[in-house]
Amino acid sequence: DIVMTQSPDSLAVSLGERATINCKSSQSVLHSSNNKNYLAWYQQKPGQPPNLLIYWASTRESGVPDRFSGSGSGTEFTLTISSLQAEDVAIYYCQQYYTTPPTFGQGTRLEIK
Amino acid sequence: QVQLQESGPGLVKPSETLSLTCTVSGGSISSHYWSWIRQPPGKGLEWIGCIYSSGSTTYNPSLKSRVTISIDTSNKQFSLKLNSVTAADTAVYYCARGGMQAIDYWGQGTLVTVSS
Repeated sequence: DIVMTQSPDSLAVSLGERATINCKSSQSVLHSSNNKNYLAWYQQKPGQPPNLLIYWASTRESGVPDRFSGSGSGTEFTLTISSLQAEDVAIYYCQQYYTTPPTFGQGTRLEIK
Repeated sequence: QVQLQESGPGLVKPSETLSLTCTVSGGSISSHYWSWIRQPPGKGLEWIGCIYSSGSTTYNPSLKSRVTISIDTSNKQFSLKLNSVTAADTAVYYCARGGMQAIDYWGQGTLVTVSS
């Protein structure tokens, strides 16, 4: 299985400031046939299912605010929230869908400082 | 807007079979992968397996010996059976659209507790 490791485990950021979450995969999730990174980011709020934010490492899902952005390639990826809002308090997960089984990072808890 | 709804018992006895059904509404069940994913209380996400609308299945090797996923396209439902459950199978079980790609729609989840 591909192991997904996120850092940090938890993060406290002031409102309006930038939040950065990192995700590292144990092997590359870049597919040479289409040059796409098989990497997604999800946001999960308490008592709710995860919500897809980003897929193909950097494509924002429809309806997701543009303060959310994804970057990276190969084995290292980043989710950035450019200006933290109160409603962004959640746990964030990365996921690879390059190979079976799809695997998730352990999650990063984002709080307001 | 695609909606998914899990249904099934919230309590299962050890060694018995966990059975859940997911009903899809607001969109087609055809030409998509459909997954089951679980989340133990306070922990992370584990992909259980998926089924394509044609009936082709892919399972997590860690659970493969105990899992069966099936689909009923006429009723827009797909189902999960997990055999020989233990307390370690206690989790919120989600059905979702996707599997071999990013997961774009999720059910609200149903808590299944394994206890005698």
